[in-house]
Amino acid sequence: KQEVTQIPAALSVPEGENLVLNCSFTDSAIYNLQWFRQDPGKGLTSLLLIQSSQREQTSGRLNASLDKSSGRSTLYIAASQPGDSATYLCAVHYGQNFVFGPGTRLSVLP
Amino acid sequence: KAGVTQTPRYLIKTRGQQVTLSCSPISGHRSVSWYQQTPGQGLQFLFEYFSETQRNKGNFPGRFSGRQFSNSRSEMNVSTLELGDSALYLCASSLEGGDIDTQYFGPGTRLTVL
Repeated sequence: KQEVTQIPAALSVPEGENLVLNCSFTDSAIYNLQWFRQDPGKGLTSLLLIQSSQREQTSGRLNASLDKSSGRSTLYIAASQPGDSATYLCAVHYGQNFVFGPGTRLSVLP
Repeated sequence: KAGVTQTPRYLIKTRGQQVTLSCSPISGHRSVSWYQQTPGQGLQFLFEYFSETQRNKGNFPGRFSGRQFSNSRSEMNVSTLELGDSALYLCASSLEGGDIDTQYFGPGTRLTVL
């Protein structure tokens, strides 16, 4: 069964810290992996997409890595800001379906 | 470029009724996917439409159905509503749904079944 898990479930950090969010998936035959953020009551905003053949992607203060062999992806957020507070979800595209992790709820304290 | 739009944003129905939700993708996008989000189950994939055909389907009962029109707009229908169908329904569009395509999500329709 294709499953995606995320650790930690919740995280609270002071402003300015660098942090890492983890995503694990059981089936490594992926098309791509995408990281999203979701603000309360809102839809999802795409952050980064990593294709199956790629190892990492960067956008501003965000860096996502992918290790298919170990079934892991990490999202690194540098110099966190209060505006980064949201739930972060990873989603794995398997071609015939998409499987989302449960999310990590991040709070960045001013 | 306008984003993904969903209508209505909020909906209240009673058990046994049926409901239709609408999604307009980003202009030029041909793939539309639907998801159900609940506190207990998280985000679950319902189905994907591409060029007016259902291309992929998640593990939901037949009460959940959809269609896509020639302009790529999509509708999702849920018949014989149950209390457990209360959820945020999200649609996402992408160019072709391929491995290099980013999915862009709409704001969702919050359905409450009483």
